[in-house]
Amino acid sequence: DTAVSQTPKYLVTQMGNDKSIKCEQNLGHDTMYWYKQDSKKFLKIMFSYNNKELIINETVPNRFSPKSPDKAHLNLHINSLELGDSAVYFCASSQESGEVNEQFFGPGTRLTVL
Amino acid sequence: GQNIDQPTEMTATEGAIVQINCTYQTSGFNGLFWYQQHAGEAPTFLSYNVLDGLEEKGRFSSFLSRSKGYSYLLLKELQMKDSASYLCAALDSNYQLIWGAGTKLIIKP
Repeated sequence: DTAVSQTPKYLVTQMGNDKSIKCEQNLGHDTMYWYKQDSKKFLKIMFSYNNKELIINETVPNRFSPKSPDKAHLNLHINSLELGDSAVYFCASSQESGEVNEQFFGPGTRLTVL
Repeated sequence: GQNIDQPTEMTATEGAIVQINCTYQTSGFNGLFWYQQHAGEAPTFLSYNVLDGLEEKGRFSSFLSRSKGYSYLLLKELQMKDSASYLCAALDSNYQLIWGAGTKLIIKP
């Protein structure tokens, strides 16, 4: 009965590889998010997405792309991984964008690029 | 630009009270959130303030002053399990959350 789940929890890979992280929420929420939390623990929004709109943080490289097969899923695909991509990636969801709603976070995926 | 400032680290004693401050500058303002994040875990929601004043929720209280762009999280009767990072986040005019870097709270016996 996990609200927001992510897989895998840990991901270790080589530079230059392509990888995906999956996220699912069973809360019936309309909006999902991807965050990157680096070693300094700063949470940085990467994307927010609902059925109507994808909002991309302009600082996010285009090697990162969100893919949403349906309302309950928002996967993160990363091409040509770089050392600086090593971080913890959190998926989150909220009831609706454009309103005040708390966000519920997944457990995080610790990505290590070697 | 948009900015959230909070102390990097604080130390307090079990059973005591601690206040974690946060100042914010955002394009418009639709409220302020506090989240708790234990090491290696996801952030979890603690509180939301949009009006001036103090909101109390058990051992935790959150205060907001919109005119000063200031909030604090007050933790009473500290327990060892309160050792965590506390993240302040402001909701701007586009309902985008602007996050602080978090305050690492260390509780000593």
